[in-house]
Amino acid sequence: QVQLQESGPGLVKPSETLSLTCTVSRDTISSSPYYWAWIRQPPGKGLEWIGNIYYTGSTLYNPSLKSRVTISVDTSKNQFSLRLTSVSAADAAVYYCSKEVDPGAMGFQHWGQGTLVTVSS
Amino acid sequence: QSVLTQPPSVSAAPGQKVTISCSGSSSNIGRNHVSWYQQLPGTAPKLLLYDNNERPSGIPDRFSGSKSGMSATLGITGLQTGDEADYHCGTWDSSLSAVVFGGGTKLTVL
Repeated sequence: QVQLQESGPGLVKPSETLSLTCTVSRDTISSSPYYWAWIRQPPGKGLEWIGNIYYTGSTLYNPSLKSRVTISVDTSKNQFSLRLTSVSAADAAVYYCSKEVDPGAMGFQHWGQGTLVTVSS
Repeated sequence: QSVLTQPPSVSAAPGQKVTISCSGSSSNIGRNHVSWYQQLPGTAPKLLLYDNNERPSGIPDRFSGSKSGMSATLGITGLQTGDEADYHCGTWDSSLSAVVFGGGTKLTVL
């Protein structure tokens, strides 16, 4: 059973860059033809998809965040990462990393526990 | 404002059946598969159904999904107190080129 674990600062200042990493265990990103995703959830609100990265490194981003988002993969560490620039209070949320259920299927089956990011000076 | 519309809350008694709707448009539910997630308080979402009505291993057949036109429905039979959670629907939106979700529905088992 694949396991995912988010890590990164829990507090980011307004206008600065949010950086999170998802460490994958019991699976290998580079040999697994799946999409890996970042999804966030503001407190008390619904889920928001941030973007996906394919095992080849190709990416898909939410158009509403595209100008500020970069998702990358480090196959040597079996990790993928999220960078979100120029953060504001609207970016405060629990951030999850996830893996799709089956190649090409609509659904995210494996999730990290989530990490809460607060935006405050 | 979520792209997909779900009722904020539903409730039913233990042992009963409940349905949760998810309404979209021709660019999302109308042409793409839907997934459903259960989120217990303070935990990550759990995939209940994908590709409209496929259950991952370990998900009981009390949970079912259907889709008609631009709407999808999650059905839960034999309600248990442990089913109290938030339920989210999601799909791909071909016009936005994005995965979109509903705002979530809180299920209360009375």
